[in-house]
Amino acid sequence: DTGVSQDPRHKITKRGQNVTFRCDPISEHNRLYWYRQTLGQGPEFLTYFQNEAQLEKSRLLSDRFSAERPKGSFSTLEIQRTEQGDSAMYLCASSLGVLHHLKTSTDTQYFGPGTRLTVL
Amino acid sequence: KQEVTQIPAALSVPEGENLVLNCSFTDSAIYNLQWFRQDPGKGLTSLLLIQSSQREQTSGRLNASLDKSSGRSTLYIAASQPGDSATYLCAVRQSGGANSKLTFGKGITLSVRP
Repeated sequence: DTGVSQDPRHKITKRGQNVTFRCDPISEHNRLYWYRQTLGQGPEFLTYFQNEAQLEKSRLLSDRFSAERPKGSFSTLEIQRTEQGDSAMYLCASSLGVLHHLKTSTDTQYFGPGTRLTVL
Repeated sequence: KQEVTQIPAALSVPEGENLVLNCSFTDSAIYNLQWFRQDPGKGLTSLLLIQSSQREQTSGRLNASLDKSSGRSTLYIAASQPGDSATYLCAVRQSGGANSKLTFGKGITLSVRP
């Protein structure tokens, strides 16, 4: 168990550019979440996958944002035509669903180190 | 809509003091509540998770309690140390089903003075 990893850790981009972030969850975790955190605030939910299915998207996730989890393992979050308001820490978390392979779980979410995005 | 509040936003205490961090939530119909620690510029580390049917959880010098009916949770830190300095966030999960997103408070930034 190597924990949740995210890449890159930092990204600086100019307004209008596209960026893509990657998240690798804890192996065997079937649930994966994306959150966004701005300075002085708690993380806000963006979207959630169970295996490869995207089950929920927040209204914070505008049309410029898209997330995928093609094989139910790693996930990518892409932001198109970045704006200065997109500057934030993007956090990924994973969990083992409450019922998974007949095991019970508290469904604790484990977070990665985050990707800090700065849009100039 | 669930709202999670943590007051005060910041706290400074001398080393060795026992302290209590408070968290309140508006909708008491929660599935569980989780306390996290966040160091500056870093991700979140899960400290304790309390299911809605539980009253408290303990891990080392940390004890978290939950009073679901009144919409409150407390994180008790015994014998605080400078290494405890960090931001502490509480988060609630509303549903036990497929919807498992967390709603976070803004956090309490703790500074423990040597």
